[in-house]
Amino acid sequence: EVQLVESGGGFIQPGGSLRLSCAASGFTVSTNYMTWVRQAPGKGLEWVSLIYSGGNTYYADSVKGRFTVSRDNSKNTLYLQMNSLRAEDTAVYFCARDPLVVTGTWGQGTQVTVSS
Amino acid sequence: QLVLTQSPSASASLGASVKLTCTLSSGHSNYAIAWHQQQPGKGPRYLMKLNSEGTHNKGDGIPDRFSGSSSGAERYLTISSLQSEDEADYYCQTWGSGFWVFGGGTKLTVL
Repeated sequence: EVQLVESGGGFIQPGGSLRLSCAASGFTVSTNYMTWVRQAPGKGLEWVSLIYSGGNTYYADSVKGRFTVSRDNSKNTLYLQMNSLRAEDTAVYFCARDPLVVTGTWGQGTQVTVSS
Repeated sequence: QLVLTQSPSASASLGASVKLTCTLSSGHSNYAIAWHQQQPGKGPRYLMKLNSEGTHNKGDGIPDRFSGSSSGAERYLTISSLQSEDEADYYCQTWGSGFWVFGGGTKLTVL
């Protein structure tokens, strides 16, 4: 079964760091385009970051320079390192397999709350 | 600028059909999109990818009641024989060069 499971969210003070994980099963992360999307409370979906199978990475302007996407092929896991967190980063973060060339798949999400 | 426009809300009766619209910005009418469903309190679920010809590739387990079509810059999601569990937010999404774009979402109410 194709599945994505996020973890690593939590409550963090402004300026702090968190690393989100997205464990995949049923397919290989490194051979797929993978993305991170977030949803602030009561808002719509917002694209955050993308990593192509070749390793190229891309970021929304709102997180560029603060967030880093990566993957661990041995663990078949996608990561999002989030530094210098701000209140406006508060959201549920979802990882997804990009449906551009294969069937899309979403994780269930992990909550990140940035507050003092 | 690549933008997707969706109506904020739609409603239809149980058992009826509804057609949701996603409009691509000027100059992008040939772009493919994807439709995603988000039921209350849940994560999104991929429904289908839809190209400019109206060809769609549905996700695993998506019922035949869900179908897609295209006309010019508009991409449609039609849900027939509406069921209560279809009450959800529906987002269209497309691809730029190294980024995704989402529409604002349509909240579907099943009456």
